[in-house]
Amino acid sequence: DTEVTQTPKHLVMGMTNKKSLKCEQHMGHRAMYWYKQKAKKPPELMFVYSYEKLSINESVPSRFSPECPNSSLLNLHLHALQPEDSALYLCASSQEWLRSGKGQPQHFGDGTRLSIL
Amino acid sequence: GNSVTQMEGPVTLSEEAFLTINCTYTATGYPSLFWYVQYPGEGLQLLLKATKADDKGSNKGFEATYRKETTSFHLEKGSVQVSDSAVYFCALSTPTSYDKVIFGPGTSLSVIP
Repeated sequence: DTEVTQTPKHLVMGMTNKKSLKCEQHMGHRAMYWYKQKAKKPPELMFVYSYEKLSINESVPSRFSPECPNSSLLNLHLHALQPEDSALYLCASSQEWLRSGKGQPQHFGDGTRLSIL
Repeated sequence: GNSVTQMEGPVTLSEEAFLTINCTYTATGYPSLFWYVQYPGEGLQLLLKATKADDKGSNKGFEATYRKETTSFHLEKGSVQVSDSAVYFCALSTPTSYDKVIFGPGTSLSVIP
């Protein structure tokens, strides 16, 4: 069983819809991530939150809007998406580098499979 | 910059065959190295890790040794099973990448009975 929970597992939306993806972890991790993954490709980093503050935005289009309401929750708000945004969206969490002093593994959820009509 | 190179496959093996997936890296400083596995329809799972030179990570019969002199972290398993069919990603993180993980392109493995 994964320790990072993502909902929904599947989402189909039109290009004019607004929807949100949700992610939750209870491991006390203070770094949380959103990735986009195309089939059989590595995950592409979108956003990193560290201590509930956005620390990295990998030049993601503004139609994707992240939010970190507290240390356990991470949301990704979607609006006016394009067909090329269809992908698996993965959330991950980890102990943050600065406190641990070395690279820490990330713990991934099972993802939300998003289809844009 | 930091990068990871691995054989992309697809790799097809018969059950009980020996598996090697090569992984080499380029990094500044002293990276931590990881192997992740992704089964069909699932997210990535950490398979094993090593944080310093000569460390050996192992899990579920898989092993990889952190070789600083050859900048490599090859994944091996002595006898693969059908259930090992998945995509395997080599990855690293370094002090200069902060909380980022750099992934290799992934290797698709199919094990046939």
